[in-house]
Amino acid sequence: ETGVTQTPRHLVMGMTNKKSLKCEQHLGHNAMYWYKQSAKKPLELMFVYSLEERVENNSVPSRFSPECPNSSHLFLHLHTLQPEDSALYLCASSQTPDRANTIYFGEGSWLTVV
Amino acid sequence: QKEVEQDPGPLSVPEGAIVSLNCTYSNSAFQYFMWYRQYSRKGPELLMYTYSSGNKEDGRFTAQVDKSSKYISLFIRDSQPSDSATYLCAMSVGYGGATNKLIFGTGTLLAVQP
Repeated sequence: ETGVTQTPRHLVMGMTNKKSLKCEQHLGHNAMYWYKQSAKKPLELMFVYSLEERVENNSVPSRFSPECPNSSHLFLHLHTLQPEDSALYLCASSQTPDRANTIYFGEGSWLTVV
Repeated sequence: QKEVEQDPGPLSVPEGAIVSLNCTYSNSAFQYFMWYRQYSRKGPELLMYTYSSGNKEDGRFTAQVDKSSKYISLFIRDSQPSDSATYLCAMSVGYGGATNKLIFGTGTLLAVQP
């Protein structure tokens, strides 16, 4: 079993749909992250959670809504997205937020907005 | 000017060649330097982790940091087709604070031809 598991791996949604991405980590870490990876751009940090509390929100549009019910699970709720939101969404975890330099990524969820 | 600059490639080399991947950065406060490897349609995985200046070797991989020039390198000896991937550099200021944000390069696509 991999350390950080993301589902679904691929998602196609219309601009009016509501969907969610799910992440689960099996590493006993206390911090979890959502990153966005677009072609030819650096990874963009979206949200950081520490022990279920959001500690960072990098000016992400409200059409992205994170949820962290416990330290092992993280969701990204999506609604009324735009085509430019099509990207690879990566979940990651680390022991604590201040050990973000040794984070472990999941395999990502490929999102296409049509 | 971007905080971290990385040539996107693609870089194509024959099997057995020595590969040199590089990043430059502008923030002299960076102290932690990482290299991630990302296979196609997978999440990034931590390959090398270096603190401050100097070299670090792990098998066929050597990470080098020159803080005076704000330049980091990853060398791959005896490159193999299985090394074909995108290599991302990342760096951070250090520990402390609520979060320790990683700043990523855009990644260099490497293809090792058999």
